[in-house]
Parts: sequence; C-alpha cells; structure tokens
Amino acid sequence: EAGVAQSPRYKIIEKRQSVAFWCNPISGHATLYWYQQILGQGPKLLIQFQNNGVVDDSQLPKDRFSAERLKGVDSTLKIQPAKLEDSAVYLCASSLERGRQFFGPGTRLTVL
Amino acid sequence: AQTVTQSQPEMSVQEAETVTLSCTYDTSENNYYLFWYKQPPSRQMILVIRQEAYKQQNATENRFSVNFQKAAKSFSLKISDSQLGDTAMYFCAFTFQGAQKLVFGQGTRLTINP
Repeated sequence: EAGVAQSPRYKIIEKRQSVAFWCNPISGHATLYWYQQILGQGPKLLIQFQNNGVVDDSQLPKDRFSAERLKGVDSTLKIQPAKLEDSAVYLCASSLERGRQFFGPGTRLTVL
Repeated sequence: AQTVTQSQPEMSVQEAETVTLSCTYDTSENNYYLFWYKQPPSRQMILVIRQEAYKQQNATENRFSVNFQKAAKSFSLKISDSQLGDTAMYFCAFTFQGAQKLVFGQGTRLTINP
C-alpha cells in the first residue's frame, strides 16, 4: 500500500514570497490533515478536510494561509506572503473516517 | 481545552536498558484516545502504540507498553530492551471522539547509546 506522498521535501524562500505544498493521501482515505511542526515543538493542526469539505481550520492563519482539496483527493497548502515564523515542517496525514492517521514525510520550509 | 504535557525534553539510556517516557494530559472528555508517536530524523511520524480511554488494560506492542492512569491523566511509555533504532523524538498525542485531530505534546528526544 502506497503511503502519504508530499512534495517538495525541502523549500527555501525569502520572506514575503509565496509557496505551495502538495499532498497525495492514501487511496480511499476520506480525511486529510495538515499539521505545522515548528522546530522543537509537537505538530499543530492547521486544517482538516473530510472529503473536500473543511472540518476544522480554527488554527489556520487565514490572512496568509490557504488550503484546498479538489475532488476530495489531493490537497495543496499555500502561504502568501511568507513570514520568518512560518519556517517549520509541514506534515500531511490521512485517515479513513475516524481511523488511524498515516503521516507523510513532511516538507521542511525555511523562510529567510 | 485539551493539552498534552511531556516534562522530559531529553533522555538518554544505554542499549538494552529499559526507559520510561512521561506524559500527562488534560481534558474534560470521557471518550478519548491516547497515542505515542515516534519521529526519527527522517521526519516520518510513526505510530508506536495506542490506548482507548475506556479500556482499563494497558496496551502493549512487543517491546513497547504503556502505563495508563486515567484518574491521574497520565500516560507513560515504557520501552524494554532498548535498541539503537529506538533513537528518535517521541510524541504523546491525544484525540477525542468526534474530533479526530491529534493534539501533541512537546516531545521527548530519546537517545539510545551503544
């Protein structure tokens, strides 16, 4: 069974630039999550999708972050414009409804 | 609000020793789940063990076991016969029925020395 795929693995940008991350969940998984993991901390949920609808985006900084999940499969997370404090690892996870979460390898973002 | 606290930022033991990682949590929910995740330098978050709050029996997975004290809101992880491959960040996490999202602690960096 293929796991959760994420790209790119690494990204370096300057502040005020924009960046996008992509996630392909495990086939058949209805629920998709984006977590932000700042260095030295545990992951924090940014947004949760159930199929292509948003379930929880209470901790998403909506003035600069956006996410979409077209057709209930792949998802993209965008930051525009990026700030220094956005430097982090962005983890994507997926699960069957109410099931165990499987994580992707993450994208490490560095904002200079 | 749900919170998870890991009070040990770093731990280090010798190979083959037993090590216990601590975790406490705070919730007013009655139906919830607790997890320990391992995150090696590759960053892939790997589920180590899971405990349902309604189950009194402590979960075990090979060398990994938990001590779940519901009244004390404590959920510690014991690793027996530790191996070099156990070196990683370990995160305690929590979710409650209906929410699905995971709330993580700050993590414990565990180093197994040869």
